[in-house]
Amino acid sequence: ILNVEQSPQSLHVQEGDSTNFTCSFPSSNFYALHWYRWETAKSPEALFVMTLNGDEKKKGRISATLNTKEGYSYLYIKGSQPEDSATYLCAFVGGGTSYGKLTFGQGTILTVHP
Amino acid sequence: DVKVTQSSRYLVKRTGEKVFLECVQDMDHENMFWYRQDPGLGLRLIYFSYDVKMKEKGDIPEGYSVSREKKERFSLILESASTNQTSMYLCASLAQENQPQHFGDGTRLSIL
Repeated sequence: ILNVEQSPQSLHVQEGDSTNFTCSFPSSNFYALHWYRWETAKSPEALFVMTLNGDEKKKGRISATLNTKEGYSYLYIKGSQPEDSATYLCAFVGGGTSYGKLTFGQGTILTVHP
Repeated sequence: DVKVTQSSRYLVKRTGEKVFLECVQDMDHENMFWYRQDPGLGLRLIYFSYDVKMKEKGDIPEGYSVSREKKERFSLILESASTNQTSMYLCASLAQENQPQHFGDGTRLSIL
């Protein structure tokens, strides 16, 4: 079983703070790295699918970077808002015939206080 | 928008019962997946299917089976439910490997 680790496990910030989380994954046999946001009582929603070393993606106030050689990705949230409160999941896709199988980290729970 | 629908949001069953969790997607996706989510463990893959009648074990298949008789429907079966199968179950579908998965809202299953 592949090892995908996220840190921190949970995070409390004040509205307006910027924050970032880390996802570490195997640096060999890399195909893609996914980020999802999972709000309470909703389904996980895709944020980014990243495939190239050095990739940077942005969606509004959220951005992500990827380093496949050293096996990590950072997710950044600029100016956190209470509606950003959610669990943020990263997931690794290995090369070969994977059929898009995801191996998830345990998630980072973000709480943004007004 | 892709719609993945799970048959129940909440389900309570008894130990030893045979339990069916149903998942339907409306976008003709080839690949479908069943995960369970437990606190501190993230989402873990139980089974997946890459075509009708085709299935492969994920990381934690023990105690589960699946059925994919039609492309749009992927069923997870607990042959004889046990209390350690109390969990949140999520279904997902996928069109192509370099695209994100689309998830249902989840079924919170309690086995008493």
